[in-house]
Amino acid sequence: EPEVTQTPSHQVTQMGQEVILRCVPISNHLYFYWYRQILGQKVEFLVSFYNNEISEKSEIFDDQFSVERPDGSNFTLKIRSTKLEDSAMYFCASSERGGVGGPRDEQFFGPGTRLTVL
Amino acid sequence: AQSVTQPDIHITVSEGASLELRCNYSYGATPYLFWYVQSPGQGLQLLLKYFSGDTLVQGIKGFEAEFKRSQSSFNLRKPSVHWSDAAEYFCAVGGADGLTFGKGTHLIIQP
Repeated sequence: EPEVTQTPSHQVTQMGQEVILRCVPISNHLYFYWYRQILGQKVEFLVSFYNNEISEKSEIFDDQFSVERPDGSNFTLKIRSTKLEDSAMYFCASSERGGVGGPRDEQFFGPGTRLTVL
Repeated sequence: AQSVTQPDIHITVSEGASLELRCNYSYGATPYLFWYVQSPGQGLQLLLKYFSGDTLVQGIKGFEAEFKRSQSSFNLRKPSVHWSDAAEYFCAVGGADGLTFGKGTHLIIQP
């Protein structure tokens, strides 16, 4: 069964450093998402991406964040200058279609990347 | 703005007992509702979803949920829990800007 994969599973970085989190969405999916979950808190939407551009983003997704689909398979989240409060689990998701109104809109989640900023 | 409330942070249930996890939502239109489960160190797995139609939705692993518009609720149920059901459960509502999740309910199974 196809699945979303994410690398690395755990990333440790120093405050101020840049990190890139990588995701490989399901191959026939066209919509991609990043969510984050700070330890002990709820999962929060960051950004959605379609047709090589951002379609929606939350208030959390400020200028420190960027997303890219550098090739036909990867979808990346870059944090330019990490802060302590960026420590969280970051989930990538993909769906065949956008919206949430039907079976093809279901978002499939990857296992997450745990980012620790020291 | 849409929101989801899961009033129970922790719930402890004996193995074999029935389970109900509460979820209330706030959404301006017809809601699209989801329940996800997260086992320790794992990603989010979809248990079930409600888009329209029958308000009682069947999911995987023996779970079901009932949409009650009058109560703005989408509670998750299982008639008999197994030790492997111990996990974090998230209710979510779908909107134009992705999914909005509740804070989750941590389910503990007692032997």
